[in-house]
Amino acid sequence: KAGVTQTPRYLIKTRGQQVTLSCSPISGHRSVSWYQQTPGQGLQFLFEYFSETQRNKGNFPGRFSGRQFSNSRSEMNVSTLELGDSALYLCASSWGGRISYEQYFGPGTRLTVT
Amino acid sequence: QQPVQSPQAVILREGEDAVINCSSSKALYSVHWYRQKHGEAPVFLMILLKGGEQKGHDKISASFNEKKQQSSLYLTASQLSYSGTYFCGTEEGGSQGNLIFGKGTKLSVKP
Repeated sequence: KAGVTQTPRYLIKTRGQQVTLSCSPISGHRSVSWYQQTPGQGLQFLFEYFSETQRNKGNFPGRFSGRQFSNSRSEMNVSTLELGDSALYLCASSWGGRISYEQYFGPGTRLTVT
Repeated sequence: QQPVQSPQAVILREGEDAVINCSSSKALYSVHWYRQKHGEAPVFLMILLKGGEQKGHDKISASFNEKKQQSSLYLTASQLSYSGTYFCGTEEGGSQGNLIFGKGTKLSVKP
């Protein structure tokens, strides 16, 4: 079974630009979560989508948004990029549903904002 | 509310044991444990659910004290491959899918 894939793997953007990151979950998984990982703050939860609906949202500004498509693929968008947005963005998929399942992480997208 | 992990770092010799702790001030629905090696994505180790159910790898054991909102990960007879940063992630009741991770415990196993 193919794992979680994320594209692109590396990205360099300039302050003020916007960026879209993509995540394809494991086949059959309906939940996709997004995390930001930085050396200083660690792994921080951005949001989680389940069956095309945002079910949970972390404490990030409105510049961070996402969506999920009917095939469970998910995209994350960051508008008006700031230097502090430089990070590894990880997505993770799971079966989802009402009970808790393990999450499978993708390799991440390394975003550098200059 | 971010869970607190302890210790922050630990160095072991092969074959030694270690315990990593995770505590929260909130009522928890579940506790997840993941290991991340340098330059790689976190990998699932164990999930402990309120009510006692556990899912995970055979060689990893963990406990979840629901009354104290604490979990411990037990690494026995450590191997070099155990090296990495261990994260606990907690889900509060009513917020399934919202994993809040601790800052991590860096484990180094030396030969």
